[in-house]
Amino acid sequence: AQTVTQSQPEMSVQEAETVTLSCTYDTSESNYYLFWYKQPPSRQMILVIRQEAYKQQNATENRFSVNFQKAAKSFSLKISDSQLGDTAMYFCAFMQYSGTYKYIFGTGTRLKVLA
Amino acid sequence: NAGVMQNPRHLVRRRGQEARLRCSPVKGHSHVYWYRQLPEEGLKFMVYLQKENIIDESGMPKERFSAEFPKEGPSILRIQQVVRGDSAAYFCASSPQGGPSGHEQYFGPGTRLTVT
Repeated sequence: AQTVTQSQPEMSVQEAETVTLSCTYDTSESNYYLFWYKQPPSRQMILVIRQEAYKQQNATENRFSVNFQKAAKSFSLKISDSQLGDTAMYFCAFMQYSGTYKYIFGTGTRLKVLA
Repeated sequence: NAGVMQNPRHLVRRRGQEARLRCSPVKGHSHVYWYRQLPEEGLKFMVYLQKENIIDESGMPKERFSAEFPKEGPSILRIQQVVRGDSAAYFCASSPQGGPSGHEQYFGPGTRLTVT
């Protein structure tokens, strides 16, 4: 069974600085998707970035980028130029290609951006 | 386009009552997923439905929980005889199709169920 591990329950970063959130996963599949979701206090789940496992190039979305290491089964999220609005819970999620395409979520990292 | 709609946003039930949570997927999406988030935890998969069919209910508790996605109308997650442990946020997500090309799930705002 697939598992997703986020080993940092809480992190903080100064505004305008860079922070990296870690995520590791375990799977025997070769094709899958990985996602980072942001959950602010409103609890709405917001997609931050996604990565397809067959793509070697790391995904980027404005200030957000990932470091995808397929062999190490690692998928970290880097937030550059942190803003106060980035304060939220961040969840890493895995979805395999086959079966029912359900998401497997990690337990989350609570990020606080400090003014 | 309207996103995934869930109602009610907040629901309070006494122990032993029934809870009905509704989810209207993004227009044109035929796949619905339900997830449960206990306090201070990540989201856990409960059930995956297509129109009129349950595809995967491996995450559903064996008793008291049921889900449907009829041909017409919203998807319903039903919890009978609620207990305090059912208190959680329940999220619905939809996707246009279940395959890799329709992989991304769009999440609703969730329903927070409180059992007193």
